[in-house]
Amino acid sequence: EAGVAQSPRYKIIEKRQSVAFWCNPISGHATLYWYQQILGQGPKLLIQFQNNGVVDDSQLPKDRFSAERLKGVDSTLKIQPAKLEDSAVYLCASSLSTGPYEQYFGPGTRLTVT
Amino acid sequence: AQSVAQPEDQVNVAEGNPLTVKCTYSVSGNPYLFWYVQYPNRGLQFLLKYITGDNLVKGSYGFEAEFNKSQTSFHLKKPSALVSDSALYFCAVRPEGKLIFGQGTELSVKP
Repeated sequence: EAGVAQSPRYKIIEKRQSVAFWCNPISGHATLYWYQQILGQGPKLLIQFQNNGVVDDSQLPKDRFSAERLKGVDSTLKIQPAKLEDSAVYLCASSLSTGPYEQYFGPGTRLTVT
Repeated sequence: AQSVAQPEDQVNVAEGNPLTVKCTYSVSGNPYLFWYVQYPNRGLQFLLKYITGDNLVKGSYGFEAEFNKSQTSFHLKKPSALVSDSALYFCAVRPEGKLIFGQGTELSVKP
């Protein structure tokens, strides 16, 4: 079975620029997650989708971050404008649903903001 | 506040020796508990989980974890470490809704 796909793998931008990340979850997985992982820390949930609806976006900095999951399959996460502190790895994960199911992670996108 | 603690930033073990990576948590209710492993430049991989039932759960690559409700701990163990087990290990708990991760423990297994 194909895993979670993410692109790009690496991105370098200047502060105040915008950037977008793409994620394609495992086929049939209803729940999709975006995490931010800063170096030396564990992943922090930014937003969780159930199909195409938002379940939890309490830790998403909504003044600059946005995410969508049109048609309940793939998803994009956007940052506009980027700040230096946004430098991190952005991980996408999916799971069958919101129950006690393990999450499957993509390889991540390493963002560097200069 | 709900939190997960991995008290050791790094654990060093000789190949063939048993290993333990510690995890304690402070959350309300009866959470689901997970261990993930992260290899360099790769995403997190699921190792094992505790939902309910037997306190000792077995997972991938010979790893197991022991749930202790009174100590609110979920330590990861393996009877005989391999060099290939060297990686970053994350404990995570899910009280309800979102997954909360610890800060990670770097496991180094030397030949």
